[in-house]
Amino acid sequence: AQKITQTQPGMFVQEKEAVTLDCTYDTSDQSYGLFWYKQPSSGEMIFLIYQGSYDEQNATEGRYSLNFQKARKSANLVISASQLGDSAMYFCAMREGRAETSYDKVIFGPGTSLSVIP
Amino acid sequence: DAGITQSPRHKVTETGTPVTLRCHQTENHRYMYWYRQDPGHGLRLIHYSYGVKDTDKGEVSDGYSVSRSKTEDFLLTLESATSSQTSVYFCAISEDTPDGDQPQHFGDGTRLSIL
Repeated sequence: AQKITQTQPGMFVQEKEAVTLDCTYDTSDQSYGLFWYKQPSSGEMIFLIYQGSYDEQNATEGRYSLNFQKARKSANLVISASQLGDSAMYFCAMREGRAETSYDKVIFGPGTSLSVIP
Repeated sequence: DAGITQSPRHKVTETGTPVTLRCHQTENHRYMYWYRQDPGHGLRLIHYSYGVKDTDKGEVSDGYSVSRSKTEDFLLTLESATSSQTSVYFCAISEDTPDGDQPQHFGDGTRLSIL
């Protein structure tokens, strides 16, 4: 069963505006980690931001922030002041298994394609 | 950039033939992963490894096997390739840390076409 849901297959945003990409997850683990990656059309995977399940503060990295709502099992990525170079696929990922094992299994959602309009 | 090399980068083969993809790392990281990427599905985990000779299945492991005899190498084998295994395959590695907060680093991918 799929454990990461990204309900927005494609999104458009005007340059310089903020955009939120949704991610919900399902896990029975108490200890887990959430990651966002960017994949431009060139194909490489670029790490953006990380949120641990025990982190009390929402993670931020430059123009990226993560809106973490643990009770709702959501970890939405917020990109502020969008730039043309932000056009890419964005993937939410979850690392789990750490509480029971040290195996660190990592699974991904289906992704959201973001297009930034000049 | 993390030292990850996938080989081959491109391969075309016929249904029923065996195929082995190699992932080589120079980072001495504990964890290694194989994913396949298909439109509409994102990256789906095939198998992963948490140490030499220690592997486990992912979401889509049927038809695939893996081996890790050395820290630096993680091999993915399609014993008898089928057209449904046509995909882009990514290898990833990550460090072992107490909090599990280290991101994965990815190889450049292998484009595999099975005719």
